[in-house]
Amino acid sequence: GAVVSQHPSRVICKSGTSVKIECRSLDFQATTMFWYRQFPKQSLMLMATSNEGSKATYEQGVEKDKFLINHASLTLSTLTVTSAHPEDSSFYICSASGQGSYGYTFGSGTRLTVV
Amino acid sequence: GQQVMQIPQYQHVQEGEDFTTYCNSSTTLSNIQWYKQRPGGHPVFLIQLVKSGEVKKQKRLTFQFGEAKKNSSLHITATQTTDVGTYFCAGGAQKLVFGQGTRLTINP
Repeated sequence: GAVVSQHPSRVICKSGTSVKIECRSLDFQATTMFWYRQFPKQSLMLMATSNEGSKATYEQGVEKDKFLINHASLTLSTLTVTSAHPEDSSFYICSASGQGSYGYTFGSGTRLTVV
Repeated sequence: GQQVMQIPQYQHVQEGEDFTTYCNSSTTLSNIQWYKQRPGGHPVFLIQLVKSGEVKKQKRLTFQFGEAKKNSSLHITATQTTDVGTYFCAGGAQKLVFGQGTRLTINP
């Protein structure tokens, strides 16, 4: 079945630094990638939607200059959290859809801790 | 915007008891999807319902899509400890909007 590989699975960074999270679709072409964040015991909140080769569409309240999304190829999308602060600590998950996938395939998530 | 509401938020059952979670959308959905997230894990796709009134089964799990395509339910018969996790419904055409999830815990 469709697989999305997300790295890193865990990252601890210092306040003020930037962190890049990668999501790769391994056996299908991800025409659309979605980025979510999830706080403990809460639901997934959509941050942005990106289509290959075009700018991401951000949800209301999500700062596009802080959460940089790049979807340069049909198999790779990246989320960069710039100038991270402790309140950015969360579980970030990508999901992808495209030909060869049924439903939305989620990556395994990245637990970001900003200290 | 579109809202997807899910109840109950938590459900604790004895192993062997049945479990149901309900999902309601503020707007008509083109389809609804269900996901399971184990503690510490990521959401895993279970099923997608598309047709009005559709019912699908996966072993002990029964999924229903309402006639008006605004509500859905997931029913688990005779729960087992492996069913523990949070069950999310999600709907939307261009993007998925997730319900709050129902966290199922089971007393063995």
